[in-house]
This record gives sequence, structure tokens and C-alpha cells, in this order.
Amino acid sequence: SQTIHQWPATLVQPVGSPLSLECTVEGTSNPNLYWYRQAAGRGLQLLFYSVGIGQISSEVPQNLSASRPQDRQFILSSKKLLLSDSGFYLCAWSPGFNTEAFFGQGTRLTVV
Amino acid sequence: GENVEQHPSTLSVQEGDSAVIKCTYSDSASNYFPWYKQELGKRPQLIIDIRSNVGEKKDQRIAVTLNKTAKHFSLHITETQPEDSAVYFCAAQAGTYKYIFGTGTRLKVLA
Repeated sequence: SQTIHQWPATLVQPVGSPLSLECTVEGTSNPNLYWYRQAAGRGLQLLFYSVGIGQISSEVPQNLSASRPQDRQFILSSKKLLLSDSGFYLCAWSPGFNTEAFFGQGTRLTVV
Repeated sequence: GENVEQHPSTLSVQEGDSAVIKCTYSDSASNYFPWYKQELGKRPQLIIDIRSNVGEKKDQRIAVTLNKTAKHFSLHITETQPEDSAVYFCAAQAGTYKYIFGTGTRLKVLA
């Protein structure tokens, strides 16, 4: 069966520090991959999505970037965190079109 | 760009009553409409979905209706129970593979 791993679960980082969140999917090949951010009490904002290795689509101009170095690995990065980057970051994958997206456990990021 | 509006933002119902959450979408190419439930601090999980070739789908106490002409779809929960309390998100997916989510509805079922 397919599983999605996302880590770390919680992270506290100072303003100006770098960020790297990793997400991996097991048990499938060529998944569509997504990064969402959820601010406290808010909806799910799509940040990036990828339909293949090295293919990244950015949805919101911001302080973040994403990379897909391997088929089942999706990384969210920042060179310098801002206070406004705090939130709950969710990685998700789907096998294709017209089908369910499966979410990772999420990373709660607090920038102090 | 694509947009999904969801109402209401909060909803309180008495246990045993029904709850209805409504969403509208802007991209007429959307063909897939999932609904997710998110408990506090947890990941969203799919509870029901509907594709554009179907007008209604039911799974026990949960049903979803879709009106493609009006670009409108709704979640219906009957005989609500305290464990139904959570945040519910609607979403729409079009040909770009993106899932665009609504802003969420916080449902409280009062015992």
C-alpha cells in the first residue's frame, strides 16, 4: 500500500534562518505531489505542485521554493524565514487526475 | 484564477440534526470534487467525493450533490453525532491537477 511520510512534525525556527521540509511517498511511482500551507484557523493554500521530477509549479509568490530531486521526494525550502511563514505545512500526493489526494501528517512551523 | 468559496465558516447543530455545507467554484473545467474532514491538529482525510458525470452520491449518513450548471456542490450530513465535529473542506480539481480548497467550515455538534 502507499504511504506518505512528512517530517519533522513540529519545528521552531528563528527569523532569518533557512528551512527544509521533506516529504516522501512509498508504494507508488510518478505521483503528483503538492505542498499546502494552513494558517491558524484558515483554509488550505496551495503553494507548489509537481507532476514529475524537476517539474515545479508555483502558485503563490513568496519566500519559499520547492524541489523534486527524485520521483517520490518533494522538498520545501526557504533561505530566510519570515514571521509570516509560520503555519501548518501539509504535503500531499495523488495518483493522477479525478482522484483523491492523500495528505501527510503535517509540519507545524513556528517562526520566532 | 481558480477559486472555491465555502459557506458557512462555522456551523453549530444539535446532535441528531442535519448539517449542510455549500461550495461554489469558478473554473468550469473542474471535474472532481472531494470533501475532506480535518480533526484538530490532524491531516485532512477524504470523506466523500463526486465526479462531474454524477449529480449525487451517498455514503451512509453523508451525501454530496453537484450542480455543474450552477457550479455549485454541497455536503449533507444527516443524524449528526458528536464525532462529526471537525473542520470540513470542499475542493475542486480541474485539468491542471491542482486541488483548490475552500476556506473550511467548522462544524460543532452539540450533545
